[in-house]
Amino acid sequence: AQSVTQLGSHVSVSEGALVLLRCNYSSSVPPYLFWYVQYPNQGLQLLLKYTSAATLVKGINGFEAEFKKSETSFHLTKPSAHMSDAAEYFCAVSDSPNPNAGKSTFGDGTTLTVKP
Amino acid sequence: ETGVTQSPTHLIKTRGQQVTLRCSSQSGHNTVSWYQQALGQGPQFIFQYYREEENGRGNFPPRFSGLQFPNYSSELNVNALELDDSALYLCASSLGDERSYEQYFGPGTRLTVT
Repeated sequence: AQSVTQLGSHVSVSEGALVLLRCNYSSSVPPYLFWYVQYPNQGLQLLLKYTSAATLVKGINGFEAEFKKSETSFHLTKPSAHMSDAAEYFCAVSDSPNPNAGKSTFGDGTTLTVKP
Repeated sequence: ETGVTQSPTHLIKTRGQQVTLRCSSQSGHNTVSWYQQALGQGPQFIFQYYREEENGRGNFPPRFSGLQFPNYSSELNVNALELDDSALYLCASSLGDERSYEQYFGPGTRLTVT
């Protein structure tokens, strides 16, 4: 079984400030972890993924995340927030790289607000 | 390379009716997954199709069914609609290999059941 917990359903930061969105996971096997972004009335876009290679993963739009096995965490960060980063962010876990891997488990999401 | 498309974008149905939602996968992708995203929640896995066969199912009743066609497009059918079926329905396509965890999502179909 696998699960994801996103700490904080709403996060508000000022433009230019650090963005930190928290994600903790549970998985019985080595996990594959993902962060997605969803803009209003749109589908999900993959930001970055961890697939058992480097523990620090860089994604699009300046985001990165660090896989910490000891803490079962995969927090998403960005050094300097931009107004266009305002969106909903989802952390997801999958436990297999084979064709069954599409059965991802998602967290409930964190809404990021960026203040001018 | 075309992305994942879904139709219709919005749909209003009455309780007890049936609905069919459609998804066209990204070019070259042979795996499609369907998700239900209720308001304020993350997507919940409904089922996955791989090369026209169901390849896993989440905790959804049998009135949720699907098809995948030889061109890898897909349908989600929901019978006997209930008010709680109101949600955004997302499909995601991927390659049926070691990269299949990398899913590409469509924009979704917003279903409202009244």
